[in-house]
Amino acid sequence: GDSVTQTEGLVTLTEGLPVMLNCTYQSTYSPFLFWYVQHLNEAPKLLLKSFTDNKRPEHQGFHATLHKSSSSFHLQKSSAQLSDSALYYCALSHSNNRIFFGDGTQLVVKP
Amino acid sequence: NAGVIQTPRHKVTGKGQEATLWCEPISGHSAVFWYRQTIVQGLEFLTYFRNQAPIDDSGMPKERFSAQMPNQSHSTLKIQSTQPQDSAVYLCASSLDSSVSNERLFFGHGTKLSVL
Repeated sequence: GDSVTQTEGLVTLTEGLPVMLNCTYQSTYSPFLFWYVQHLNEAPKLLLKSFTDNKRPEHQGFHATLHKSSSSFHLQKSSAQLSDSALYYCALSHSNNRIFFGDGTQLVVKP
Repeated sequence: NAGVIQTPRHKVTGKGQEATLWCEPISGHSAVFWYRQTIVQGLEFLTYFRNQAPIDDSGMPKERFSAQMPNQSHSTLKIQSTQPQDSAVYLCASSLDSSVSNERLFFGHGTKLSVL
C-alpha cells in the first residue's frame, strides 16, 4: 500500500543554518509528492509539489527533489529563518486516490 | 475567495453527546476531504467526496462516525456518543478536481473538538 515516512518528529536548529527534512515513500504507482506547512494556529497549506517533468519545485527558498530510485522527496533550504518554524507534512497522491500524509516534522528555528 | 470555512472553530461536548461539524468548501471545488489531527497521530484521513458522492471512507471509525455531503456547498461530519479519545482538531479540505492527482488541497482552520 501507499505510505509516507518522515523520520524526524522534531528538528531544532539555529537561524542561518541549512534545513533538510526527510521524506521517503512507498507506492505501487508513480505518485505525486507534496510538502505542506502548518504554522501555529493556522491551517496547513501547500508549500510545494513535484512536477511531472522532474523539474525541481521551489517556493520561499525551499526546494525538494523527487528521487524515484530512492523513493525520497526531502525538503531543503540553504538558510533557515525564524519564520520557518512550523509543522511540515510530506504527502503523496496518485490518480483518483486520497492523499497520504506522513506524521509530520516540527521545525524549530532558534536565534 | 473566503477559503474553506469550518464551523464551529471550537466545540466542547460531554461524553456521550453528539457533535456535528460543518464544512463549506471553496466554490467550484469538486472534492471534499475530512482529516483528524492529533499530536500523536498527525493527520489521519477520514473520508472524501467527489461531486458530492462518497468515494473513500476507509479512514472513518466504523461506529459512531458518519459524513454527508447533501449539496455542493457543504459537508458535515457527525460523531455520535462522543468519547474523550475523539478529542482532536478535525480538518476539512477541498480541491478543484481530485481526479487530477497533483491537485493541491486547501484546508480550513479546523474544528477543535474537546470531549470532557
